[in-house]
Amino acid sequence: NAGVTQTPKFQVLKTGQSMTLQCAQDMNHEYMSWYRQDPGMGLRLIHYSVGAGITDQGEVPNGYNVSRSTTEDFPLRLLSAAPSQTSVYFCASRPVGTGELFFGEGSRLTVL
Amino acid sequence: RKEVEQDPGPFNVPEGATVAFNCTYSNSASQSFFWYRQDCRKEPKLLMSVYSSGNEDGRFTAQLNRASQYISLLIRDSKLSDSATYLCVVIGPLDTGRRALTFGSGTRLQVQP
Repeated sequence: NAGVTQTPKFQVLKTGQSMTLQCAQDMNHEYMSWYRQDPGMGLRLIHYSVGAGITDQGEVPNGYNVSRSTTEDFPLRLLSAAPSQTSVYFCASRPVGTGELFFGEGSRLTVL
Repeated sequence: RKEVEQDPGPFNVPEGATVAFNCTYSNSASQSFFWYRQDCRKEPKLLMSVYSSGNEDGRFTAQLNRASQYISLLIRDSKLSDSATYLCVVIGPLDTGRRALTFGSGTRLQVQP
């Protein structure tokens, strides 16, 4: 019953540091995505992937990189953290053609 | 104009009350609609899909009005456990994944004893 697993759950970074948020799913979903959630802003799509080897930008991609080498994994990399990237990050997956997203528990990132 | 708009609330209602939320969307070609529920500091989870003819799941009723471009969620006999944020989700005309699944910013419901 693992579903979507995100790590770490909490992270504090200093401005300019880099890090990777890990995301793995065991449901064989082709579609995976990363969102950030900020107060009053709702969930905003950062990057998404419709299958291994395929990624594309969402609404707010700047400052983030992704890769999809396997169906299961979809890591999100922050290249040089900025305070504006302080947020809660959610990884989510879904079967293509449906609207039911399965979310991870979220990763709370603070950039000082 | 935002693609998907919701009244942020909070809606404070007593137990047993009936409460309704609306959500408006800007793209008339949007194809699919959903309501998600998000508890405080938790991940969102699918509550129900919204079908053209309207649909009901226990105390929850969802409706779609394409002419006015809004969807609604009605909760009857509110329970304390219904306290959460309700997110409206819209899928655009092309399910390519790119921005195709758009979230509203959510409506917060607080059910009081």
